[in-house]
Amino acid sequence: KAGVTQTPRYLIKTRGQQVTLSCSPISGHRSVSWYQQTPGQGLQFLFEYFSETQRNKGNFPGRFSGRQFSNSRSEMNVSTLELGDSALYLCASSPSRLNTGELFFGEGSRLTVL
Amino acid sequence: EDQVTQSPEALRLQEGESSSLNCSYTVSGLRGLFWYRQDPGKGPEFLFTLYSAGEEKEKERLKATLTKKESFLHITAPKPEDSATYLCAVQVGDMRFGAGTRLTVKP
Repeated sequence: KAGVTQTPRYLIKTRGQQVTLSCSPISGHRSVSWYQQTPGQGLQFLFEYFSETQRNKGNFPGRFSGRQFSNSRSEMNVSTLELGDSALYLCASSPSRLNTGELFFGEGSRLTVL
Repeated sequence: EDQVTQSPEALRLQEGESSSLNCSYTVSGLRGLFWYRQDPGKGPEFLFTLYSAGEEKEKERLKATLTKKESFLHITAPKPEDSATYLCAVQVGDMRFGAGTRLTVKP
């Protein structure tokens, strides 16, 4: 069974640009959640999507957005990039809502903002 | 405010030297406590879920326990391949992760 796939794995952007990251969950998983991981703040919850609807959102500015498609694949977008957005962005999937079980993480997309 | 604190930040053990990692939490409405392992350059890998005080789960050399205020991850006779960062997370609507404990096991 294929795991969670995130693309791209690495990317470099400059301040003010925007970026879109993609996540393909494990087949049959309907919940996708996104996290930002930095050395200083650790793993922080961004948002959760289930059945194409955002179910929960973390404490991040509106520059961070996401969506989920009918096949459960998800994308997240960060607009007007800032230096502090440099981080590893992790996507996780689970069979049902976030509060019912374990998460299966992808290997992440490492974003560097120059 | 909901908080998750892990200690120690880093732990160096000799192979075979047992120890424990701590995860203390102050949350309202805990729905579950999770332990994950993260290797460098990888996403976290699920280890255990604990739901109620007194619950214990075991997997190979790892054993997780839960009280009303904290959880412990006990590592018995660790091997070098157990070296990783161990993350604890609590479910309070969203998932709140601790900063992790970076474990190094020397042969």
